[in-house]
Amino acid sequence: AQSVTQLDSQVPVFEEAPVELRCNYSSSVSVYLFWYVQYPNQGLQLLLKYLSGSTLVKGINGFEAEFNKSQTSFHLRKPSVHISDTAEYFCAVSRWGDQGGKLIFGQGTELSVKP
Amino acid sequence: EPEVTQTPSHQVTQMGQEVILRCVPISNHLYFYWYRQILGQKVEFLVSFYNNEISEKSEIFDDQFSVERPDGSNFTLKIRSTKLEDSAMYFCASSEQGDGGNSPLHFGNGTRLTVT
Repeated sequence: AQSVTQLDSQVPVFEEAPVELRCNYSSSVSVYLFWYVQYPNQGLQLLLKYLSGSTLVKGINGFEAEFNKSQTSFHLRKPSVHISDTAEYFCAVSRWGDQGGKLIFGQGTELSVKP
Repeated sequence: EPEVTQTPSHQVTQMGQEVILRCVPISNHLYFYWYRQILGQKVEFLVSFYNNEISEKSEIFDDQFSVERPDGSNFTLKIRSTKLEDSAMYFCASSEQGDGGNSPLHFGNGTRLTVT
């Protein structure tokens, strides 16, 4: 079975500061890794994904994430955040070759960007 | 860009009543899903659906739940006799091929179900 842990439930940060949202996963098989964002009153939107290859992946809105297999982590980073990045961020995994693509989510991290 | 749409955005019902949550997946997608998020908790997988049948379901998806694709566009989740603990945000999602990595899930905005 797979599980995902997001270590911070809330991250307050000032505008233009860097941010890192932490994600660790547990799995006995290879997985795909994802970050989704949920803006207020909206659905979950894919930010980026790691399938294979380069461990640094870039997504939309200037976000990037780095896959670290030895630490089973997939932390999300942005060098300079904007007020508009205020949202809830979810890390998720799906199992390689899992026909159906079921996602297992972390608890979510609420990013609050203050002016 | 095509979207997954869910209706209603908020549903209030009394305990013991039946509710149907509706979703219109993206038109060329073949795999459909329901997830739910109880306030303050994780987004949890409920069920996946492909080729007019359930392909996988979680322990949460018991006999009180059912899914249906009644026509070529809608995908519904029915809860036969709602309980207080069914109160949650329910998300519908769809994907083109269901292979997880190359065909990510697209989510709707959710239906907030409140059982009183």
